Amino acid sequence: DAGITQSPRHKVTETGTPVTLRCHQTENHRYMYWYRQDPGHGLRLIHYSYGVKDTDKGEVSDGYSVSRSKTEDFLLTLESATSSQTSVYFCAISPGPDDADTQYFGPGTRLTVL
Amino acid sequence: QKEVEQDPGPLSVPEGAIVSLNCTYSNSAFQYFMWYRQYSRKGPELLMYTYSSGNKEDGRFTAQVDKSSKYISLFIRDSQPSDSATYLCAMSAGRGSTLGRLYFGRGTQLTVWP
Repeated sequence: DAGITQSPRHKVTETGTPVTLRCHQTENHRYMYWYRQDPGHGLRLIHYSYGVKDTDKGEVSDGYSVSRSKTEDFLLTLESATSSQTSVYFCAISPGPDDADTQYFGPGTRLTVL
Repeated sequence: QKEVEQDPGPLSVPEGAIVSLNCTYSNSAFQYFMWYRQYSRKGPELLMYTYSSGNKEDGRFTAQVDKSSKYISLFIRDSQPSDSATYLCAMSAGRGSTLGRLYFGRGTQLTVWP
């Protein structure tokens, strides 16, 4: 998985609790992305980062925030988890501007919100 | 209408068959076209990458892009049981300022039986 790890790999939580997912890469790639994958919707972009402390929203960003304090780490936080955020979350990386659409994915985190 | 349409299948073929997977799209700005393979409970893996119209071959896999029809295809020759996976098409309008924003199809589930 191109030097990408995600933690935790599985998590069950309750509605209303905050949850943080971590993506760690060893490729020194500049761009990082968070996606969610749901049946019938495919992969949808939540947030992305184009450098340390530089982040922006994707198409389904409501209820999520991100932070990137180091090149290798990109955190996704669900501020107050809801059942609609039950999903599989994937982190992806790409080298930089000239290769931004060449994205490599991590193994995913399966999140269940009860 | 979704920007990228992909028949979810499932598609079931015997070993050795030629498989054809397809996507259509509506945004004429798309220039870069990708195919990802995703095994069950794994992250998507970049399989093929093409720019603009034309064909690209890699072993048993051929990617074809017809921009005039807004139609892309992935052909798998001599299919093997190990090809059983979900295949996702993805596309982007470009690099640089768009930061490689990818638009995914929902994926087609393929089973190759021995």
